[in-house]
Amino acid sequence: KQEVTQIPAALSVPEGENLVLNCSFTDSAIYNLQWFRQDPGKGLTSLLLIQSSQREQTSGRLNASLDKSSGRSTLYIAASQPGDSATYLCAVSRVDSSYKLIFGSGTRLLVRP
Amino acid sequence: DAGVIQSPRHEVTEMGQEVTLRCKPISGHDYLFWYRQTMMRGLELLIYFNNNVPIDDSGMPEDRFSAKMPNASFSTLKIQPSEPRDSAVYFCASSSPGTGNEQYFGPGTRLTVT
Repeated sequence: KQEVTQIPAALSVPEGENLVLNCSFTDSAIYNLQWFRQDPGKGLTSLLLIQSSQREQTSGRLNASLDKSSGRSTLYIAASQPGDSATYLCAVSRVDSSYKLIFGSGTRLLVRP
Repeated sequence: DAGVIQSPRHEVTEMGQEVTLRCKPISGHDYLFWYRQTMMRGLELLIYFNNNVPIDDSGMPEDRFSAKMPNASFSTLKIQPSEPRDSAVYFCASSSPGTGNEQYFGPGTRLTVT
């Protein structure tokens, strides 16, 4: 059974700091991995999608990496801003059910001005 | 595109009442998903459709829950009768193979059952 873990559960950093959010999964037979952002009381916004054949994806100040063999993904946020404060969720889908996303519990990020 | 549209955004109802949540997926997306989010259990997939056909409903908690997709632009999730433990945020999402299966979420419906 696929399990997704995100560490830390919460993170508080000063503005401008570069930071890394971690996601680990127990079954390496994944189809893809997706990082989302969720603001309080809002829906999920897709940030980056990494296919199983890819090693990383970049969008602006965000970079996500994928290491299937070790069951890990990281989301790197460069030069953090207060507007980055949100909960970040990672989700994986399995090869045998590529449309079923299994979510981690998220990392709640606070960027202090 | 307006994105995934859900209604209502908030619903407060009494135990035993029927609740219907609605979703309009992104045009051209042929997969539609219903999720539930609670503090205790996080985000859980309830059911998903492909081309209006239910593919996997193994996440539907019990017979009180039902979902339909009568056409490509509309889906409903119904709870009858509702119970206080159904209180949660319900999200609808859609995707397409053309987007690499990337899922796009609606704003959610916050359901409170008293």
